[in-house]
Amino acid sequence: DAGVIQSPRHEVTEMGQEVTLRCKPISGHDYLFWYRQTMMRGLELLIYFNNNVPIDDSGMPEDRFSAKMPNASFSTLKIQPSEPRDSAVYFCASSPQGRGNQPQHFGDGTRLSIL
Amino acid sequence: GESVGLHLPTLSVQEGDNSIINCAYSNSASDYFIWYKQESGKGPQFIIDIRSNMDKRQGQRVTVLLNKTVKHLSLQIAATQPGDSAVYFCAENTGEAAGNKLTFGGGTRVLVKP
Repeated sequence: DAGVIQSPRHEVTEMGQEVTLRCKPISGHDYLFWYRQTMMRGLELLIYFNNNVPIDDSGMPEDRFSAKMPNASFSTLKIQPSEPRDSAVYFCASSPQGRGNQPQHFGDGTRLSIL
Repeated sequence: GESVGLHLPTLSVQEGDNSIINCAYSNSASDYFIWYKQESGKGPQFIIDIRSNMDKRQGQRVTVLLNKTVKHLSLQIAATQPGDSAVYFCAENTGEAAGNKLTFGGGTRVLVKP
């Protein structure tokens, strides 16, 4: 089975530009999560969706960040305008809805560098 | 687990020895715990999980122990191999109201010496 698929794997862009990160969750998973990983702050949850509906976006740093999930097989995380401090690895994860908690499965991330 | 900012605790272990990685969690309401392994350039990979109604669970070469009294979680890796070199994260979930939301610890780097 295909795992969580993220694109692009690497993105280098100049500050002020719009950045769009993409994620395809595992088929049949009802939860989708966006994380950011840096050396200073570790893994931080930005936002998560259940059945395509945003449930908790309290981790989104500021209004420059937005996330959408137009359907069960696709989500985007957008940064506009981007700033050098947004440089990080961004992960998408998905998990099924089950009886009790279920583990999240991660993609291999997008390494974002803002110059 | 506590976030350690710039510095990751490192466990250096000889190939073939057993490894024990520890994690202190903060929320006494947490009822589900997971260990993840992250190799360089990859996303965290699920290793094993445990629910709060258990105190031990075994997988292939790995064992997770949960001590709710002191809010402590550990991961034991038997006969550590070079491929076990990675950063290991514990994560906790506080229950149904939190959906499947996880809070991650800061991670421990494991270096396996040949």
